[in-house]
Amino acid sequence: GENVEQHPSTLSVQEGDSAVIKCTYSDSASNYFPWYKQELGKGPQLIIDIRSNVGEKKDQRIAVTLNKTAKHFSLHITETQPEDSAVYFCAAPVGGGGADGLTFGKGTHLIIQP
Amino acid sequence: EAQVTQNPRYLITVTGKKLTVTCSQNMNHEYMSWYRQDPGLGLRQIYYSMNVEVTDKGDVPEGYKVSRKEKRNFPLILESPSPNQTSLYFCASSLMTETEAFFGQGTRLTVV
Repeated sequence: GENVEQHPSTLSVQEGDSAVIKCTYSDSASNYFPWYKQELGKGPQLIIDIRSNVGEKKDQRIAVTLNKTAKHFSLHITETQPEDSAVYFCAAPVGGGGADGLTFGKGTHLIIQP
Repeated sequence: EAQVTQNPRYLITVTGKKLTVTCSQNMNHEYMSWYRQDPGLGLRQIYYSMNVEVTDKGDVPEGYKVSRKEKRNFPLILESPSPNQTSLYFCASSLMTETEAFFGQGTRLTVV
C-alpha cells in the first residue's frame, strides 16, 4: 500500500514569512495529491490539489509543487497570516489507482508568530 | 448547503456498550469513508464504501463495523467498545476517490 511521510511535524514562522511543508510517497503509480487544512475543532478542508500531469499549481498565496521522479510534493504558503495557523495534511491515493481512497500524512502543525 | 453531518459530536461511554455514530451527506456522493485521528498518528482510514452495499476495510478496521444501505448514510458501529478506541472520528464523502473529500465536524469518543 501507499506510504506517505510528512515533514516537519511542527513549523513555526513569523507572520509575513513563507512556510513550506514536504511530503514523500512510495507508490509511483499515484497521480493525485491533495492538501487539507484542519482548523481547531473542525474537520479537514481541501485547500489545493495537484495531478501528475502538472508540476506546480498556484492559488493566491498557496502553491503545490510535484516531483514525480523523486516522489515528493510540497505545500508553499507565502506572506503567512494568523489565519494560516492550523494543522495541514498531505495525502496520496492508496494503491496508486486510488480505488481504496487516500492515505494521509501525519500532519504539520503550522504556527504563525505575530 | 453541501455538508456531511455526524452525530453525536461528543460521546462518553463504558467498555462493552454498543454504540453507533451516524454520518449523512447531502451531495449524492458515491464514496464515503471513516477515519480516526489520534495525536501523532494523523488520519487513519477505518472503512470505506464505494457505493450502496459495497464496503471494504481500511488500515485500522478491527473493532468496527459499517453499513451502507442508502447512498446518503454511512454509520460507524462499535459492537463492544474498548478504551483503545478513544479517539476523534471523522466521516468523509466525495464524488470519486480522487476528488475533493468533504469531512464532517468530527465525533470525539471517550471509552472508559
